[in-house]
Amino acid sequence: TQLLEQSPQFLSIQEGENLTVYCNSSSVFSSLQWYRQEPGEGPVLLVTVVTGGEVKKLKRLTFQFGDARKDSSLHITAAQPGDTGLYLCAGSAGGGNKLVFGAGTILRVKS
Amino acid sequence: GAVVSQHPSWVICKSGTSVKIECRSLDFQATTMFWYRQFPKQSLMLMATSNEGSKATYEQGVEKDKFLINHASLTLSTLTVTSAHPEDSSFYICSASSFGNIQYFGAGTRLSVL
Repeated sequence: TQLLEQSPQFLSIQEGENLTVYCNSSSVFSSLQWYRQEPGEGPVLLVTVVTGGEVKKLKRLTFQFGDARKDSSLHITAAQPGDTGLYLCAGSAGGGNKLVFGAGTILRVKS
Repeated sequence: GAVVSQHPSWVICKSGTSVKIECRSLDFQATTMFWYRQFPKQSLMLMATSNEGSKATYEQGVEKDKFLINHASLTLSTLTVTSAHPEDSSFYICSASSFGNIQYFGAGTRLSVL
């Protein structure tokens, strides 16, 4: 069974601070997605990474896929209250595109 | 990104009744749809995978007679919670994908069983 370990589970920081969320696995994924979810809504796709070592930037968010495609990180620079939400990583091993989700990271950015 | 519509967004029902939740892909043909369940402040738990025209594949521990899934067309899948009980209260989310590509998620349905 493929597992994605996501950490930390909960993060409460002040506006302007930086943070990193990690997803790790012993399995190789063909692609990895990061989602952000607000209470009472569905997850919204932030990014998909597919190539080992790939780095993608989305404004203040930087996503990295490990060289071996077993791990990924999300770094947020100068966090803002609007970044508050549940962040989920999800990996796909290919073949039917069933996703394996991490446990999620609840981020709270205080102003 | 593609649009997936889920309806209703919130439903309250009495114990013992059945509830149907619809998931529609509005601007693409969804060869595969997924149904998830989510508890407060937790991640998504996959319940079942359905391919258009085929029987759904349920994850271990999910009762197929309790959670009936129908995927009769390339744009619509339904989840029916039969004889709902308070322990079935949860947030249910669907997603849709086309030929193994990215999953796009609906906005979710909050089910409250009294």
